[in-house]
Amino acid sequence: DTAVSQTPKYLVTQMGNDKSIKCEQNLGHDTMYWYKQDSKKFLKIMFSYNNKELIINETVPNRFSPKSPDKAHLNLHINSLELGDSAVYFCASRSGRGDGYTFGSGTRLTVV
Amino acid sequence: AQSVTQPDIHITVSEGASLELRCNYSYGATPYLFWYVQSPGQGLQLLLKYFSGDTLVQGIKGFEAEFKRSQSSFNLRKPSVHWSDAAEYFCAVGALGQNFVFGPGTRLSVLP
Repeated sequence: DTAVSQTPKYLVTQMGNDKSIKCEQNLGHDTMYWYKQDSKKFLKIMFSYNNKELIINETVPNRFSPKSPDKAHLNLHINSLELGDSAVYFCASRSGRGDGYTFGSGTRLTVV
Repeated sequence: AQSVTQPDIHITVSEGASLELRCNYSYGATPYLFWYVQSPGQGLQLLLKYFSGDTLVQGIKGFEAEFKRSQSSFNLRKPSVHWSDAAEYFCAVGALGQNFVFGPGTRLSVLP
């Protein structure tokens, strides 16, 4: 069983489109995250959700919106995609015990 | 503010040689420290973690790391590198209930 699963793995789309990336975790973790990894491999946190409440929202454009229908899911919706949004997006989850993050395998988004 | 530095952007070692990847952090309280590995096209996998206790921690794949409070360091080591260890390595610092901060990563290349 995959602990944190993301779909799709690859996403190629045109500028201006709206797209969503789905994330599900079956670990029973309390908190879920979205990270963006740029071309230099730098990881930047975008959002985290704890019990369906947003607890961190870093300085990301409001075109990005997390949506969490339940504790096991945290989807990322992106409006009006721009070239600069091209990156790898990682979903992660973490228990409340302070253990490390468990990451999904990533979604490579390419905006053309 | 929390920060993590990994002074080496890229390291090349021969297969069978020993390895040490450096990590320095700045954190206001006792940190939780982690090392992650990212193989090409994959998500991040937890190698090891330090919360408290013995400052030398063992991880998966034969890796170990040593926490040195006086030097604010958490260096990763492996006595004999295998070709499959070629990957990107990330150090991260965090605490219970706090968001992780990741270092910029160190790319490891292994020569046959």
